[in-house]
Parts: sequence; C-alpha cells; structure tokens
Amino acid sequence: QQPVQSPQAVILREGEDAVINCSSSKALYSVHWYRQKHGEAPVFLMILLKGGEQKGHEKISASFNEKKQQSSLYLTASQLSYSGTYFCGTGATPVSGGSNYKLTFGKGTLLTVNP
Amino acid sequence: KAGVTQTPRYLIKTRGQQVTLSCSPISGHRSVSWYQQTPGQGLQFLFEYFSETQRNKGNFPGRFSGRQFSNSRSEMNVSTLELGDSALYLCASSLVSGEKLFFGSGTQLSVL
Repeated sequence: QQPVQSPQAVILREGEDAVINCSSSKALYSVHWYRQKHGEAPVFLMILLKGGEQKGHEKISASFNEKKQQSSLYLTASQLSYSGTYFCGTGATPVSGGSNYKLTFGKGTLLTVNP
Repeated sequence: KAGVTQTPRYLIKTRGQQVTLSCSPISGHRSVSWYQQTPGQGLQFLFEYFSETQRNKGNFPGRFSGRQFSNSRSEMNVSTLELGDSALYLCASSLVSGEKLFFGSGTQLSVL
C-alpha cells in the first residue's frame, strides 16, 4: 500500500523551514527520502532504518517513528536549490529480507522555494 | 564513475505495439529496479532484479516483463501497448536490495 505524504505542496521563502510527513498503514523497517527536480532523475537524500540508524544528507534531517509508522523530513533554512518534489519510499520488510524487500513510494510533495 | 544509463530517452509508439527499454546500472551494482512515474501518482514499483533473478514484482499486468543479464544490465519489455502505458519509466540501481537507489534519467514513453 502506497504511503501517504503531506502536505501535497508547500511554498516557502528562502530561509524558512518546512516539514514533510510520510505515513504508512504497514509496519515499517526502513524509510527512504528522495528529491526530484523537474525533468531530472530522483536523487537520494536519506535512509532511516528501524532501530534508529540514519544514513544520508548533512543539511537535511529526518525522523522515523516506528510505532506510528511515520517519518518526517525536516528542511531548515531552505535554499532555492531545495525546490523540487520530495518522495518517501517505505520498506515493509527487513532490508535483509532478500526477495521480499520492496520499496513503495508516496505520491510526492512539491516544494517551491522563492527568493 | 558513470551513473545509471537508460536508453532510449524518448519513445513514441502506437497502441498494440511492443517496446523494450534498456538500463545499464552503475558498475558493481547488482540490484536493478524499475518504476513507472505518471503525474500525480508518484513512483509505482514494477519489479526488481538481482543477479539475473526477479526478486519482486509490483501490481502490473503480465504485459510488463523484464530481465537482467550477467553484466547486471537490465531490459524492460511492454507488449500490446495501451494508451495508459504512457509514462516516464525509471530504472534504479543499488549495490544490494534496500540500499540507496541511484536513478537513471528515465525513458519517456508516449503511446498514441
């Protein structure tokens, strides 16, 4: 089942903060975050694993609430380069689950940062 | 290090035809996944291949198939094309399943 992202779209001024949420109806083992600029390929930002390990970006942070099956991406002091569509991808099986592992993406959150 | 390469970049086909898309992963990456992207729907998982074996498949009809070669290159085939198959098809590679994905620029397929 596709995770639900909120908000669907957000407009910021440079320097403002934003939070993007990702919620799943399934128990999660991992959450990925990617950013896609218009006409470009999605680019990796962050992986959060069950148990608290976080791997990814220096200037963007994220949280993973395993009990609530939710993740949030925090963008602080936004820059113009942060504009794009943000996707969360959720894994409902352990990363080591081999053939059962599948990443399911949400519909995306369009972030626009204006000067 | 070269990134993920997808060919062709654009394709225009008519209903009923079939199409084959190609993906060359980053050197050393053994996992290749395919996604369909349409406006407002995000990235829909098609399938994943690892060491020439399909490990998982999304909820797409049997007209969508794929394969992976011994050099990890992958192809995706869609037979009997329908108008609704028009989409951006993205390929992504990773060292192993579950690790961060590196996406290609995609193949934009238009079915007329």
